[in-house]
Amino acid sequence: QQQVRQSPQSLTVWEGGTTVLTCSYEDSTFNYFPWYQQFPGEGPALLISILSVSDKKEDGRFTTFFNKREKKLSLHIIDSQPGDSATYFCAAGNYNQGKLIFGQGTKLSIKP
Amino acid sequence: GGIITQTPKFLIGQEGQKLTLKCQQNFNHDTMYWYRQDSGKGLRLIYYSITENDLQKGDLSEGYDASREKKSSFSLTVTSAQKNEMAVFLCASSIGVNSDYTFGSGTRLLVI
Repeated sequence: QQQVRQSPQSLTVWEGGTTVLTCSYEDSTFNYFPWYQQFPGEGPALLISILSVSDKKEDGRFTTFFNKREKKLSLHIIDSQPGDSATYFCAAGNYNQGKLIFGQGTKLSIKP
Repeated sequence: GGIITQTPKFLIGQEGQKLTLKCQQNFNHDTMYWYRQDSGKGLRLIYYSITENDLQKGDLSEGYDASREKKSSFSLTVTSAQKNEMAVFLCASSIGVNSDYTFGSGTRLLVI
């Protein structure tokens, strides 16, 4: 089974700080890397995604970075807010060719 | 906007029982998925379906059956529930295979 490894498992950040979540993957043919955000009692929702032709994508306070050589990706949240407290999943796959493989998730808590 | 509806929201079953979970979407999406979410293990793919009457096994298909009788609905059957099993089953849909997923809010299963 192809692996997507995510770290840390849990993280606490002070309000206004920068959150950094990381993932690594094994299959070098993967070209699509979304991040999902999940609040308790809800299903995950797409937060931001990046294709392997790019090394950075930004959406407001959220930025995802992609390093093809190291097979790693990261999610940065600047000016973290208590409302960002949720579980975050990275995923990897081939766009329009197959299923997504998800990481184990990071439970993020932003303290006021 | 569309919606994915999963029923039931909560399901308590007995060991050895056959249990069916249902998922309906009105996005007119082609592809539908069933994932299992366990604490600390992320999301693992059980089955997916690219179109009506199509079924593809995921990494966790043993112990499950699935059915896609029409484009808008995708059912999952736990063929013999295992005692002390507790998990959230998430249904998702997407326009193509591996494009952005929309998830339902999940069915929470407890087997006693």
